[in-house]
Amino acid sequence: GQNIDQPTEMTATEGAIVQINCTYQTSGFNGLFWYQQHAGEAPTFLSYNVLDGLEEKGRFSSFLSRSKGYSYLLLKELQMKDSASYLCAVRVYYNQGGKLIFGQGTELSVKP
Amino acid sequence: DVKVTQSSRYLVKRTGEKVFLECVQDMDHENMFWYRQDPGLGLRLIYFSYDVKMKEKGDIPEGYSVSREKKERFSLILESASTNQTSMYLCASRLRLAGVRNEQFFGPGTRLTVL
Repeated sequence: GQNIDQPTEMTATEGAIVQINCTYQTSGFNGLFWYQQHAGEAPTFLSYNVLDGLEEKGRFSSFLSRSKGYSYLLLKELQMKDSASYLCAVRVYYNQGGKLIFGQGTELSVKP
Repeated sequence: DVKVTQSSRYLVKRTGEKVFLECVQDMDHENMFWYRQDPGLGLRLIYFSYDVKMKEKGDIPEGYSVSREKKERFSLILESASTNQTSMYLCASRLRLAGVRNEQFFGPGTRLTVL
């Protein structure tokens, strides 16, 4: 089967660094996505990894290890607006370009 | 910017009613998707369409059907709504490209309550 695990909730302090982990067991891995979703809003794309290593984009970085089935999203210099749900999703091979399998999401609360 | 819109933000229906959820995208994307999002379960794929009049079952298609008569519009149909279909429904679209990032773009969601 397909399984993606991430912590349900995390709390961090404004200005700090937080790492959100994601482990997966899927067939036909073809990339890993991180999305951010504020309450009541649409998920928005944050990052994409298909090769092992770190991808950095401003305050956000994402890491992938395919051999370990593991990824993390690193958020630096946390701001109150970073309070949101963070969704890990693995793209697996399927008809016409693949489909996404999502984890349950990690609810991040940033405290002052 | 890609824009994906959904016909309603909130909808309340009664058990047994036929329900239509509409999704429209304005970027000429070939692929469109319907998900439901439930606490503790994440997003789960109901159906997707890779082009006009084409559809594929996702992971939880039971109780749902879809229609894609025009490229920009993808409809989700609940033939006879049941209380266990109370959920947040999200539509998404993307280009039909393989081997690249090709992320999905999501609509704001429709929160459906079935009484």
